[in-house]
Amino acid sequence: GQNIDQPTEMTATEGAIVQINCTYQTSGFNGLFWYQQHAGEAPTFLSYNVLDGLEEKGRFSSFLSRSKGYSYLLLKELQMKDSASYLCAVLDSNYQLIWGAGTKLIIKP
Amino acid sequence: GAVVSQHPSRVICKSGTSVKIECRSLDFQATTMFWYRQFPKKSLMLMATSNEGSKATYEQGVEKDKFLINHASLTLSTLTVTSAHPEDSSFYICSARTTSGTEAFFGQGTRLTVV
Repeated sequence: GQNIDQPTEMTATEGAIVQINCTYQTSGFNGLFWYQQHAGEAPTFLSYNVLDGLEEKGRFSSFLSRSKGYSYLLLKELQMKDSASYLCAVLDSNYQLIWGAGTKLIIKP
Repeated sequence: GAVVSQHPSRVICKSGTSVKIECRSLDFQATTMFWYRQFPKKSLMLMATSNEGSKATYEQGVEKDKFLINHASLTLSTLTVTSAHPEDSSFYICSARTTSGTEAFFGQGTRLTVV
């Protein structure tokens, strides 16, 4: 079966750095997405990785290792507004998005 | 980035009535759109994949006669919840994928409450 695992909840301090991990087992791979979702709102696109390595975009970076079926989202200089759920999703061989359950990130002052 | 507009954002309807939700890609053509349902504190659940000009592909367990999907043009897909019941109350989200397949943009979501 297809499976995406990410931690259910994480807590971090304002100004700090946090890494949210995602491991996946899917039928084929055509890329991995990270989305941010605030409560009651639709997800917003953060990043897309299809090749191994680190993609940096401002305070957010995303890393992919296809051989390990592993990705992480790195958030630096955390702000209170970063409190949200972060969803990992993989595009499988049929170009369907397989979703993780999301990681709820709580930022404390 | 690309914009996907979903309307309405909130709707309250009486049990037994039908509700139509629209999803439009405003600045790009989307041959494929997806409809999701999200239960509280749960991840997105794919309901169906909508391809322009053809019938939607429904996920297992989703009633195609209850959730009617029409993808009449490259920029518009609609989801109609027919004969709504309170258990259909949920957050419905559409997503449109770029033709390159590298990005998927979401509509704002529709909070449906059936009373």
